[in-house]
Amino acid sequence: DSGVTQTPKHLITATGQRVTLRCSPRSGDLSVYWYQQSLDQGLQFLIQYYNGEERAKGNILERFSAQQFPDLHSELNLSSLELGDSALYFCASSVAAGGVTEAFFGQGTRLTVV
Amino acid sequence: ILNVEQSPQSLHVQEGDSTNFTCSFPSSNFYALHWYRWETAKSPEALFVMTLNGDEKKKGRISATLNTKEGYSYLYIKGSQPEDSATYLCASFPYNQGGKLIFGQGTELSVKP
Repeated sequence: DSGVTQTPKHLITATGQRVTLRCSPRSGDLSVYWYQQSLDQGLQFLIQYYNGEERAKGNILERFSAQQFPDLHSELNLSSLELGDSALYFCASSVAAGGVTEAFFGQGTRLTVV
Repeated sequence: ILNVEQSPQSLHVQEGDSTNFTCSFPSSNFYALHWYRWETAKSPEALFVMTLNGDEKKKGRISATLNTKEGYSYLYIKGSQPEDSATYLCASFPYNQGGKLIFGQGTELSVKP
């Protein structure tokens, strides 16, 4: 158990809908990363937050947004969902923002858009 | 090199064989290099975080080296066991891109008993 909790584990929704994925980082970790893993693709970096502030953005679609709350949990909002958004979404946390500490991954949320 | 690249994509070895994989990353803005082990149906787990040129880290039968000047890292597994079967990922943390931790596609290792 990495200490990072993601909910829900599975989500099935229809095209055009909006969903929210939730991540609770390890106790004491200030940094949260979000990744998308589509079929046959590697881990694609979406966005990183550190202590409530956005630090880096990857190839995150405009239909997607995220935030980190004062209690350090983070949410990834996906709207106007398309079939191609079906993927495994991972959250990871680390103590530091600077990449010199390891990241701990949650179990992922598998999103299926039908 | 603009992205993080790993080779080979997959590797099939016999139990007891020693093996190694390569991770190439942009050297111009290097800050840190991570290695992760990802077993099927689980989430990635960190093996090493490396920052210094020439650094060598070891955990049991697994070790890694780092060359920041030429932009590559090697991961070695000595005497592979079936339980070593997993996908091995490396990730680069460039210093000038905020907080991006950029992963390669991984090397899938299969160890046959």
